[in-house]
Amino acid sequence: EDQVTQSPEALRLQEGESSSLNCSYTVSGLRGLFWYRQDPGKGPEFLFTLYSAGEEKEKERLKATLTKKESFLHITAPKPEDSATYLCAVPNQAGTALIFGKGTTLSVSS
Amino acid sequence: NAGVTQTPKFRILKIGQSMTLQCAQDMNHNYMYWYRQDPGMGLKLIYYSVGAGITDKGEVPNGYNVSRSTTEDFPLRLELAAPSQTSVYFCASRRGATSYEQYFGPGTRLTVT
Repeated sequence: EDQVTQSPEALRLQEGESSSLNCSYTVSGLRGLFWYRQDPGKGPEFLFTLYSAGEEKEKERLKATLTKKESFLHITAPKPEDSATYLCAVPNQAGTALIFGKGTTLSVSS
Repeated sequence: NAGVTQTPKFRILKIGQSMTLQCAQDMNHNYMYWYRQDPGMGLKLIYYSVGAGITDKGEVPNGYNVSRSTTEDFPLRLELAAPSQTSVYFCASRRGATSYEQYFGPGTRLTVT
């Protein structure tokens, strides 16, 4: 069964304290792994797509990496404005929809 | 481009009432989706459409109906609202069969009492 699992559920960091979020997946024939950011009361906002093991994408303080079984979202020297819920997703086997993890809620305090 | 728009932003329904959540996109995307999001449960797919006139059920379709008469619009109909349908509803769109990233609307927060 296609599945996406994110850990930890919640992460509290001090400003400047780097860390990583994990997304593990089980799906046959990966067609991409997607990271989204969701602020409270808003819809998910697309961040990155990763297509193959070894690929990396960066945006400001965020860097996403992909292996054959999992993806990491590395946050370097986070700021309070990075506080949000981060979701990852993969296409289902039919390619018709995305399967989402439950997300990691990141809180960065100054 | 406005992207994906949803109306209303908030709504309170009484048990047994019906309503339609509106969703529109101006990106000429073929695929459109409806999700619900409950605290701690992640996004659950209700219905999706791969083009005008074509719809299919997702993971949690019971109690909902959809139609897709145009490329731009994908309304979600709730018949006989129940407290279990209290949730935040998101509409999303995707360009086509070989492009998997989805773009989301701002959501509708629905409470059924």
